[in-house]
Amino acid sequence: KQEVTQIPAALSVPEGENLVLNCSFTDSAIYNLQWFRQDPGKGLTSLLLIQSSQREQTSGRLNASLDKSSGRSTLYIAASQPGDSATYLCAVKSLATGRRALTFGSGTRLQVQP
Amino acid sequence: ETGVTQSPTHLIKTRGQQVTLRCSSQSGHNTVSWYQQALGQGPQFIFQYYREEENGRGNFPPRFSGLQFPNYSSELNVNALELDDSALYLCASSFRQGARTYNEQFFGPGTRLTVL
Repeated sequence: KQEVTQIPAALSVPEGENLVLNCSFTDSAIYNLQWFRQDPGKGLTSLLLIQSSQREQTSGRLNASLDKSSGRSTLYIAASQPGDSATYLCAVKSLATGRRALTFGSGTRLQVQP
Repeated sequence: ETGVTQSPTHLIKTRGQQVTLRCSSQSGHNTVSWYQQALGQGPQFIFQYYREEENGRGNFPPRFSGLQFPNYSSELNVNALELDDSALYLCASSFRQGARTYNEQFFGPGTRLTVL
């Protein structure tokens, strides 16, 4: 059974700092990995999607890496801003679930202080 | 292009009642997945619908059921509501072509269900 863990559970940083969010998964037989942002009480916004054959993806100040063999992904946020404050969720689509379901971690709650 | 929409936004029910949540998929998408997100947790997969049939189910009891309509919109029905059913219910749509690769899922804003 696939399990996804995110560390840390919460993070508070001053504006301008570069930061790294971590995600680990137990079953390396994945189809892809996705990072989402969720504002309080809202739905999910997809940030980056990494296919299993890829090593990283970049979008603006965000960079996500994937090491499938070790079951890890990191989300790097450069020059953080107060508007980045949200919960960041990592999710994997596993071959074991027939590529149907996303398995999510519990998220990292990020607060960027002005 | 219209994104994924869900209704209602919020809902309050009492234990034992039944509820129906609705989802309209993004234009061009033919597959709908439902997730339950309890407070402080990540979303959990309930089930997926493709071609109006259930196409995969997570660890949820039969009182959670669904429908998909010819226009690809979907309903989630929950019978005999329990206090633990209080959660944010998220719908996600994606495009599938035959047995080919399932593509990226796009999420709606969710329905907040409170069971008293």
